[in-house]
Amino acid sequence: DTGVSQDPRHKITKRGQNVTFRCDPISEHNRLYWYRQTLGQGPEFLTYFQNEAQLEKSRLLSDRFSAERPKGSFSTLEIQRTEQGDSAMYLCASSLDRNEQFFGPGTRLTVL
Amino acid sequence: GIQVEQSPPDLILQEGANSTLRCNFSDSVNNLQWFHQNPWGQLINLFYIPSGTKQNGRLSATTVATERYSLLYISSSQTTDSGVYFCAVDGSAGNNRKLIWGLGTSLAVNP
Repeated sequence: DTGVSQDPRHKITKRGQNVTFRCDPISEHNRLYWYRQTLGQGPEFLTYFQNEAQLEKSRLLSDRFSAERPKGSFSTLEIQRTEQGDSAMYLCASSLDRNEQFFGPGTRLTVL
Repeated sequence: GIQVEQSPPDLILQEGANSTLRCNFSDSVNNLQWFHQNPWGQLINLFYIPSGTKQNGRLSATTVATERYSLLYISSSQTTDSGVYFCAVDGSAGNNRKLIWGLGTSLAVNP
């Protein structure tokens, strides 16, 4: 088991462009979480999936953000029409049921 | 919602020193995790400890759920211990086990 992986590790984009991030959870984990972390802060919850179902979305997740987990395995997080305020580290975590969460290395987004 | 406070916010140690980091939370929790975030941003799991005491090498943690706090002990600190230590709790009543995070303790260990 290689742990949670995320791709890309870094993304620089211009304001107004769309970006998509991918997360591959630990293979037997049925739950997948997305968090966002800005400088000097702890991570903040964005959304979570149980298998392929997206069960909760934070109010932080504006309508420019969409997440999917089509087959209950990997997940994608898309940001449309990026803004400078979207610059952050996007973290993915997975868990087996309600147990300990394990995190990927994150995708650092910079919006110019 | 549940609040998580960590102290101290910053800590500077000489290599070999011991330290205690504290996490207070405002309500009962289902789970509590301690993480170390390295300079590259990776969150490394240290302890999954909703209650009781656990030890792993030079690190140990104690959570007193009835008094709503947890402590992380680092003994014989090394320069590689530098980074930010986060406490995160799950206080959800529902099915979502989202973690609520403190602001972290930034630790620098000098040689």
